[in-house]
Amino acid sequence: AQSVSQHNHHVILSEAASLELGCNYSYGGTVNLFWYVQYPGQHLQLLLKYFSGDPLVKGIKGFEAEFIKSKFSFNLRKPSVQWSDTAEYFCAVNAAGNMLTFGGGTRLMVKP
Amino acid sequence: EAGVAQSPRYKIIEKRQSVAFWCNPISGHATLYWYQQILGQGPKLLIQFQNNGVVDDSQLPKDRFSAERLKGVDSTLKIQPAKLEDSAVYLCASSLETGGNTEAFFGQGTRLTVV
Repeated sequence: AQSVSQHNHHVILSEAASLELGCNYSYGGTVNLFWYVQYPGQHLQLLLKYFSGDPLVKGIKGFEAEFIKSKFSFNLRKPSVQWSDTAEYFCAVNAAGNMLTFGGGTRLMVKP
Repeated sequence: EAGVAQSPRYKIIEKRQSVAFWCNPISGHATLYWYQQILGQGPKLLIQFQNNGVVDDSQLPKDRFSAERLKGVDSTLKIQPAKLEDSAVYLCASSLETGGNTEAFFGQGTRLTVV
């Protein structure tokens, strides 16, 4: 069965700091990878997705993620965070038509 | 474009009572999902429908949970009887089709508290 691990449960950064959130998955075959974000009081929204092609994926609001197949990783990055990035971030994996499996989430707080 | 609609937003019930949640997916979306999100955890898939057929319900506690999507559009998720550990946010999502490379769109969720 596939599983997803997010290493950091809580991250606190100051504005303009760089962000990297880790995501590792366990599945040996072809995968589709997603990062979702949940702003306070709002529903889950897609930040970015990887299906195939260029392993460096750019999403909305300046976020990007890099798929490293050899490390089973899909880390999320942003060069300079803003207070409005305060949210919970979820990595998710769908392998070969199986269910979409989410990681436990990382709660990011950005201090103004 | 209208999003995924869920109701109610909040529900408080006593243990052993029953409760039902309703979901209206995005128009034209064939696939509908119900997720359970316990506080501090990521969403866990309970059941996935393709039109009105069940694709995956392997993680649905079938002794107390049931779900249906009779006409391939709206769906209801029922818990009977509820337990304390069922306290969670129940999320409904939909996508155009079943398959790895389709984006799932989520509703606001129903926050259930069982006391």
